[in-house]
Amino acid sequence: GNSVTQMEGPVTLSEEAFLTINCTYTATGYPSLFWYVQYPGEGLQLLLKATKADDKGSNKGFEATYRKETTSFHLEKGSVQVSDSAVYFCALSDSMDSSYKLIFGSGTRLLVRP
Amino acid sequence: DAGVIQSPRHEVTEMGQEVTLRCKPISGHNSLFWYRQTMMRGLELLIYFNNNVPIDDSGMPEDRFSAKMPNASFSTLKIQPSEPRDSAVYFCASSHFYEQYFGPGTRLTVT
Repeated sequence: GNSVTQMEGPVTLSEEAFLTINCTYTATGYPSLFWYVQYPGEGLQLLLKATKADDKGSNKGFEATYRKETTSFHLEKGSVQVSDSAVYFCALSDSMDSSYKLIFGSGTRLLVRP
Repeated sequence: DAGVIQSPRHEVTEMGQEVTLRCKPISGHNSLFWYRQTMMRGLELLIYFNNNVPIDDSGMPEDRFSAKMPNASFSTLKIQPSEPRDSAVYFCASSHFYEQYFGPGTRLTVT
């Protein structure tokens, strides 16, 4: 079945450091891929998405490229801020599944120190 | 748009009591999802609806849990009777196609 695997957290970085959070997936069909972010005490928010191979999603300085050959969708940011501290979830949907359900990874907590 | 609205934001109840959580999805969205989030189990999909019809409730943990969507603008998740292990944050999300928009959640504490 479809699944998403994320790197274990927490990831602890100093402000202005480079961020990578790894995400790999297993899917049948042609999934769309997403990154969601959850700030403390809030619901998940869509951060970025990519709908086909080689697409790059970007938002708020974050980027992720849909790599079909490596089944990956790693999240990157060149210079993190304290305000980026949150939990990040990778997710996929399958265009073959008409339910529009998302499969989420387990989440990776990011802590950014001043 | 106000986004997905959930009520109440916090609920504290005693074991054995009935709990009803409410959700108003974004207007025009045709899919609605109920999730539960805990430290131990992470984010779990409980049930989802398409066009007000329940599609898959296999994530509902027990018969104590039930969900309804009587119209396109309202859904409820009911727990009867509640137990301490039901303590969690419950999220509602709505979508048009694949982009899901989450509500702020209801933090449920069962003592």
